[in-house]
Amino acid sequence: GAVVSQHPSWVICKSGTSVKIECRSLDFQATTMFWYRQFPKQSLMLMATSNEGSKATYEQGVEKDKFLINHASLTLSTLTVTSAHPEDSSFYICSALTSSPGYEQYFGPGTRLTVT
Amino acid sequence: EDKVVQSPLSLVVHEGDTVTLNCSYEVTNFRSLLWYKQEKKAPTFLFMLTSSGIEKKSGRLSSILDKKELFSILNITATQTGDSAVYLCAVEAGPGGKLIFGQGTELSVKP
Repeated sequence: GAVVSQHPSWVICKSGTSVKIECRSLDFQATTMFWYRQFPKQSLMLMATSNEGSKATYEQGVEKDKFLINHASLTLSTLTVTSAHPEDSSFYICSALTSSPGYEQYFGPGTRLTVT
Repeated sequence: EDKVVQSPLSLVVHEGDTVTLNCSYEVTNFRSLLWYKQEKKAPTFLFMLTSSGIEKKSGRLSSILDKKELFSILNITATQTGDSAVYLCAVEAGPGGKLIFGQGTELSVKP
């Protein structure tokens, strides 16, 4: 199946700093990628839909100025958590949508963010 | 508001038991229902269901969808300790691939 990578796999940062997480589709092009957040013992919550070449669509309650998404190419989307706070500590997972042969969504391995 | 509800939230069984996990949904613009297995990292795909009444099978796992009653079940027979994981149900609501996830069922299989 298709492979999606994320970098870094884990990161620790200080409160007030910004962190960038990359999501890459390694063997296919993805016009659409999704960003999810998962708190411990909870399910995945969709944060935003990232479309190549256009602005991301954010879910209700997600601050677009805090979680900056850029989908500059067909294989790369980035999520930048700006001015991170401890409550932003979470597991961030991206997924990429293939369009051939059918619309299937492949998940990256996730990034564990800890804000101290 | 679209929602996906799974039950039970957690389950402890012994090896060899059969388990049934439930997923009900209320969404506008239903397109498909998906089951995933999540161990320590990101979810891995199990099944995608789009039509009612057609069972999908993969080894000891099987799943079926009832679009009239708006639910799906995931069956695991002859459970093994390696089946211990969180099982997530998600519904694709509308075009574009947007998934709405249920809370997950945490399955623990004891030797």
